[in-house]
Amino acid sequence: EIVMTQSPLSLSVTPGEPASISCRSSQSLLEYTGYTYLDWYLQKPGQPPQLLIYLVSNRASGVPDRFSGSGSGTDFTLKISRVEAEDVGIYYCMQALQTHHTFGQGTKLEIK
Amino acid sequence: QVQLQESGPGLVKPSQTLSLTCTVSGVSISSDGYYWTWIRQSPGKGLEWIAYINYSGSAYYNPYLRSRLTISVDTSKNQFSLKLNSVTAADTAVYFCARYSSPRGTGWFDPWGQGTLVTVSS
Repeated sequence: EIVMTQSPLSLSVTPGEPASISCRSSQSLLEYTGYTYLDWYLQKPGQPPQLLIYLVSNRASGVPDRFSGSGSGTDFTLKISRVEAEDVGIYYCMQALQTHHTFGQGTKLEIK
Repeated sequence: QVQLQESGPGLVKPSQTLSLTCTVSGVSISSDGYYWTWIRQSPGKGLEWIAYINYSGSAYYNPYLRSRLTISVDTSKNQFSLKLNSVTAADTAVYFCARYSSPRGTGWFDPWGQGTLVTVSS
């Protein structure tokens, strides 16, 4: 089982300021094909999770360009360039390398 | 627009079987390249992938739950289902269904159903 560890577990950000969330996996998520199977999801209050970023750095359809993903191997980062009020919720990273998919614990983003 | 909707009892007694169905609309469940998924969310364990299945019945299970799980697909109804037997309070959670994109170079869950709360209690 690949263990996903996020930090911080919570953060409070002033609107317009940047935010950054880290995700580490217990083993590399790089497949022999060259693909790295790391996704990011956002769960807004009262809603199911929604796909934000796939394969480390690709924004899902409709996701604003203030969201960006980066990283390689076992270390990954989600960045929000300028936080907006609608960005509140819990952010999860998830590995899709192994069939037994596993998620990080989640990072709760609040607005100051 | 692809949509998924979970249905099933919201209360299950301990030791009994939890049964849920996900109805898919906007796309045929027989479409190639997708696995139809169950994921649950409980306060104690966060998001937990349970199992998924494709239209031909090829299924994969969470190894920690495998002995209690059955997942099935009904292409005629565009539905897939989950059965989890011998439930305990630890199985209390919000259960989501979702579509998993599986071809090499993909690998994500999108979209998700709204989720249904299942409480295990006598």
